[in-house]
Amino acid sequence: KAGVTQTPRYLIKTRGQQVTLSCSPISGHRSVSWYQQTPGQGLQFLFEYFSETQRNKGNFPGRFSGRQFSNSRSEMNVSTLELGDSALYLCASQEGGLNTGELFFGEGSRLTVL
Amino acid sequence: AQTVTQSQPEMSVQEAETVTLSCTYDTSENNYYLFWYKQPPSRQMILVIRQEAYKQQNATENRFSVNFQKAAKSFSLKISDSQLGDTAMYFCASTFGNEKLTFGTGTRLTIIP
Repeated sequence: KAGVTQTPRYLIKTRGQQVTLSCSPISGHRSVSWYQQTPGQGLQFLFEYFSETQRNKGNFPGRFSGRQFSNSRSEMNVSTLELGDSALYLCASQEGGLNTGELFFGEGSRLTVL
Repeated sequence: AQTVTQSQPEMSVQEAETVTLSCTYDTSENNYYLFWYKQPPSRQMILVIRQEAYKQQNATENRFSVNFQKAAKSFSLKISDSQLGDTAMYFCASTFGNEKLTFGTGTRLTIIP
């Protein structure tokens, strides 16, 4: 089975722009979660989708949004980028409806905001 | 608040030695899962070991084992016969009964040849 695929791997944006990141989960996995990883804040939960519905959301401003498609692929969008949004954005998938925490992570999308 | 605390930002150990990484957590939940995840340099995060809170027996996976003390809310990871490939950031995490993982700040482990 192919692993979790995130695109793009690296991107550079300027303040005020918006960005869309994509995540393709492992085949058969219906849950997709997004995490932001920074040296200062560590790993912070953004949101989790299961069968196209957002099940849980972290404490991030409304500029951060996401969605999941019928094929379980997910996208997250950040609008009006700020310097502090520079981070590694990790996507993770899992198979079942109940969160057992056994997440399979992608390699991440590294966003730099200038 | 539900928190995970890793008090050792960095550790190093000689190859083939045993090392223990510490983790404590705080929750009022009774049913939850605990995990250790490994993030090698420039590589993706992978699950090392998982413990269900209602199970008293400590989980083991080959050279990796945990010491789970529920009353003390402690969940340490022991790596035996450490190998160069064990060099990575190690994150302790828990579900705390909901659909997200709460991570600790990580321990950077370096295995010295």
